[in-house]
Amino acid sequence: EAQVTQNPRYLITVTGKKLTVTCSQNMNHEYMSWYRQDPGLGLRQIYYSMNVEVTDKGDVPEGYKVSRKEKRNFPLILESPSPNQTSLYFCASSPYRESTYEQYFGPGTRLTVT
Amino acid sequence: GQSLEQPSEVTAVEGAIVQINCTYQTSGFYGLSWYQQHDGGAPTFLSYNALDGLEETGRFSSFLSRSDSYGYLLLQELQMKDSASYFCAVRFVRDSNYQLIWGAGTKLIIKP
Repeated sequence: EAQVTQNPRYLITVTGKKLTVTCSQNMNHEYMSWYRQDPGLGLRQIYYSMNVEVTDKGDVPEGYKVSRKEKRNFPLILESPSPNQTSLYFCASSPYRESTYEQYFGPGTRLTVT
Repeated sequence: GQSLEQPSEVTAVEGAIVQINCTYQTSGFYGLSWYQQHDGGAPTFLSYNALDGLEETGRFSSFLSRSDSYGYLLLQELQMKDSASYFCAVRFVRDSNYQLIWGAGTKLIIKP
């Protein structure tokens, strides 16, 4: 089944404890992106990647890191999480850089930082 | 900068027709996408308009007027399962790459 997977789905952690949220897609998509969703704010882009080893900042990159060593994986790293990073996170992918108007989303990761 | 506006909430009756509007201000506009998100779920793609006019996909239609910086999503023969949030998203170019910027979403409440 073609899909985007994320792990974990739920995570409660404490301030300052490094964590990684994994994202993987099995559709051979070139484009991948991370978003956070907060009530009343819609989706805001954190980082995106046009292809392997190519990553760029989105609108809210502060406090996050990403890497794209393989085409299928695009992990999101929080080196020192803070309470304002409590949010619902989505990973998304799209076949090509020209097709980003249609993105396929993972199920989401609900992160709580205390 | 880029901005989108859509109503925060719309209420309609099962079987009726509802229109969800989206107005935008952006430079480098390429098109308007619509997504549906059920509570607890992920956004799923509904439609994309790059040119002016109406695009129909089953019970759902999407319209774009580039000159008015305006679009809407039209849902016909509403069903209870259409209760969800609907997001418009503008496709534009940033740093030579196509990107999406998202509206805050419209919660559609359907009453029997």
